Amino acid sequence: QSVLTQPPSVSGAPGQRVTISCTGSSSNIGANYDVHWYQQLPETAPRLLIYGYNNRPSGVPDRFSGSKSGTSASLAISGLQAEDEATYYCQSYDSSLSGSVFGGGTKLTVL
Amino acid sequence: QVQLVQPGSEVKKPGDSVKVSCKAFGYTLTSHYMYWVRQAPGQGLEWMGIINPSGGSTSYAQKLQGRVTMTRDTSTSTVYMELSSLRSEDTAVYYCARGTWLRADDAFDIWGRGTLVTVSS
Repeated sequence: QSVLTQPPSVSGAPGQRVTISCTGSSSNIGANYDVHWYQQLPETAPRLLIYGYNNRPSGVPDRFSGSKSGTSASLAISGLQAEDEATYYCQSYDSSLSGSVFGGGTKLTVL
Repeated sequence: QVQLVQPGSEVKKPGDSVKVSCKAFGYTLTSHYMYWVRQAPGQGLEWMGIINPSGGSTSYAQKLQGRVTMTRDTSTSTVYMELSSLRSEDTAVYYCARGTWLRADDAFDIWGRGTLVTVSS
């Protein structure tokens, strides 16, 4: 059971917009710790996608965006493309555990 | 080019220890925290701990306390993660990842390719 809760799967057709939620608590997201998002393609290392709620590293398309409200955060992907098919993870810091925590991951299927 | 280089794989028996290396290229090791994250087959990401390469201070996930040790060698820009008393459940890909800002809620901006540790009798 992950400290941050994500839906196991989401899907969308090419060109559509999908969102992935990440629900935490008052000891992590609700405590104003930054939330970050990673994309993991099969058999590869995770790649930083969004950091500090809604900042993109160089090279990440602006189709990817993040938001946060209360104890939850969301990743939105617009203009869905086949290459976006991957597993997405959220991550934050938890003061009760004194360490970083991840969501369980959400597998995105592009129909 | 900033990168973290890890060995590809290790095979160990139950009860053994494994020491995985992570060599940093393209930046000063001591200017960023280093983290270790593992991923069991078909499972999600699990945070294992952090080392501050500057002073060597560490913090580990409660679940692994007593079995994990993270160290660094600044002369070779290398950090190490040693896990002892291995069991089959420790079979996983072990990643090192660089922290961004020297903060508790760091993002992990550079990842190694991972080291597959297989624990099998």
